Amino acid sequence: GQNIDQPTEMTATEGAIVQINCTYQTSGFNGLFWYQQHAGEAPTFLSYNVLDGLEEKGRFSSFLSRSKGYSYLLLKELQMKDSASYLCAVRDSNYQLIWGAGTKLIIKP
Amino acid sequence: DAMVIQNPRYQVTQFGKPVTLSCSQTLNHNVMYWYQQKSSQAPKLLFHYYDKDFNNEADTPDNFQSRRPNTSFCFLDIRSPGLGDAAMYLCATSRDQEGGGTQYFGPGTRLLVL
Repeated sequence: GQNIDQPTEMTATEGAIVQINCTYQTSGFNGLFWYQQHAGEAPTFLSYNVLDGLEEKGRFSSFLSRSKGYSYLLLKELQMKDSASYLCAVRDSNYQLIWGAGTKLIIKP
Repeated sequence: DAMVIQNPRYQVTQFGKPVTLSCSQTLNHNVMYWYQQKSSQAPKLLFHYYDKDFNNEADTPDNFQSRRPNTSFCFLDIRSPGLGDAAMYLCATSRDQEGGGTQYFGPGTRLLVL
């Protein structure tokens, strides 16, 4: 079967750095996506990785290792508005998105 | 601004009473998706259209149907809603499924079944 694993919940402090991990086992690989979802709202696109390495976009960075089936999302200089769920999704060989259940990130002052 | 629009944002229906949710997009994307998402769960793909080609997921109940009359609009019809169908329904679009396959979501419709 196909599955995406990410921690259910994480807590971090405002101004700090947090790393959210995602491991995957899918039928083929055609890219990995990270989305942010605030409570009661729709997911918004954060990043896309298809090659190994780090993609940086402002305070957010995403890393991919295809050989290890592993990605992480790194959030720097945390702000209260970063409190949300972060969803990892992998596009398989049929170009279907396989979604993780999301990591709920709680930011404390 | 180019966007994905869903109406209504909140929908209340009665058990067994048909309901239709709508989605429109100004992105001129080829692919439109309908997802169901329950609290603290991953979005679950119900079906998608690549242009006019309809693709139903194997485990999508027959109770859920969809129509795409043109590029811009897509509808989700729930023929006989049950209590278990209460969820957030998300519409998403992508330019295509391969290289331009990033999915962009509308704000969602939260369905309550009484």
